[in-house]
Amino acid sequence: ETGVTQSPTHLIKTRGQQVTLRCSSQSGHNTVSWYQQALGQGPQFIFQYYREEENGRGNFPPRFSGLQFPNYSSELNVNALELDDSALYLCASSSPSGSYEQYFGPGTRLTVT
Amino acid sequence: GQQLNQSPQSMFIQEGEDVSMNCTSSSIFNTWLWYKQDPGEGPVLLIALYKAGELTSNGRLTAQFGITRKDSFLNISASIPSDVGIYFCAGPIYGGATNKLNFGTGTLLAVQP
Repeated sequence: ETGVTQSPTHLIKTRGQQVTLRCSSQSGHNTVSWYQQALGQGPQFIFQYYREEENGRGNFPPRFSGLQFPNYSSELNVNALELDDSALYLCASSSPSGSYEQYFGPGTRLTVT
Repeated sequence: GQQLNQSPQSMFIQEGEDVSMNCTSSSIFNTWLWYKQDPGEGPVLLIALYKAGELTSNGRLTAQFGITRKDSFLNISASIPSDVGIYFCAGPIYGGATNKLNFGTGTLLAVQP
């Protein structure tokens, strides 16, 4: 069974640029959630994708957007990067069973300068 | 969103000691999840709890779902150096039909050999 994978591992961008982060869900999981984790804090929910549709969103502006593909993999896009967007971005996948158990990938460390 | 407070914020213990930490919420939760996160990595699911009063073990870890459904407890027995990390409680946010997680503030555990 393959776990959740994310790419890239690290990324450095300049303020105002755009970034795309990628996630492959765990085998058998059709739901993908994205979280932002600032240094020293717990993860904060950005949004969730189920069956290629956004299925709930946290308190993040529209410049945070996403996609889910037929193979359940997902992308997180952030436009007009700001310094405060520097964080660890985590992807989590979950099964269609309805349980709340989410399994996280290793994350992408984004630094905005 | 829901406020999840964890205590203590940090713990510095000797190898072999037992550890207790807890998580409290201002609202009722139907599910409690406990995660461990190593620096620069994604959270790893340790234990999931689904019923009030439930006591579940995973090796040296034991977690309990509080009777009031507003709290949960995690105990680690006979700590070892690899227990070092940040422990988060998490639960689904009320109001949606999806499995979005709200994370606690975290407890940092340091174990001295």
